[in-house]
Amino acid sequence: DSGVTQTPKHLITATGQRVTLRCSPRSGDLSVYWYQQSLDQGLQFLIQYYNGEERAKGNILERFSAQQFPDLHSELNLSSLELGDSALYFCASSPRSGTSGGYNEQFFGPGTRLTVL
Amino acid sequence: GQQLNQSPQSMFIQEGEDVSMNCTSSSIFNTWLWYKQEPGEGPVLLIALYKAGELTSNGRLTAQFGITRKDSFLNISASIPSDVGIYFCAGQLGWDYGGSQGNLIFGKGTKLSVKP
Repeated sequence: DSGVTQTPKHLITATGQRVTLRCSPRSGDLSVYWYQQSLDQGLQFLIQYYNGEERAKGNILERFSAQQFPDLHSELNLSSLELGDSALYFCASSPRSGTSGGYNEQFFGPGTRLTVL
Repeated sequence: GQQLNQSPQSMFIQEGEDVSMNCTSSSIFNTWLWYKQEPGEGPVLLIALYKAGELTSNGRLTAQFGITRKDSFLNISASIPSDVGIYFCAGQLGWDYGGSQGNLIFGKGTKLSVKP
């Protein structure tokens, strides 16, 4: 158990819909990262939050957004869903921002499997 | 964008054999991490490397951070059936070489199958 929790485990929805994925980081970790894993693209970085603020953006679509709350949990919002958004979505957490050195291992949650029909 | 080239893509080995896999990049990394992922689960951190030339072991696993900071390898000795899974390398770009983000860049993974 990494200490990172994600809900829900599975999500099935229809095209055009909007869903919210939730992540709670390990106790004491300030950074939360969201990754998307699909069969053809592997693990792709979407976005990072550090202590409530957006820190880095990867290949995140405009239809997707995220936020980190004062208690440090994070939510990833996916809207106007398309078939191609079906994937595993992982959240990871680490102690620091990762932009200035120091040990900063990232620990992954169990993921949310999103299926868009 | 930056990519990590991980090889081999898959390996089929006999129980007891040693395994070696590696990752290379054209970019310089400050951190190399190795993860293992089993079906339906999230990646589990195996080994973290922070210094060029660093050699670190975790049980039967040994990983090294390449001297050039552009590569890393993972060795598994005396493989057992529970070693089955997909192994990913991941790197964080060097902040002293222009990298300014904490996110990881992942290789495509090495799928390991172990025959008892």
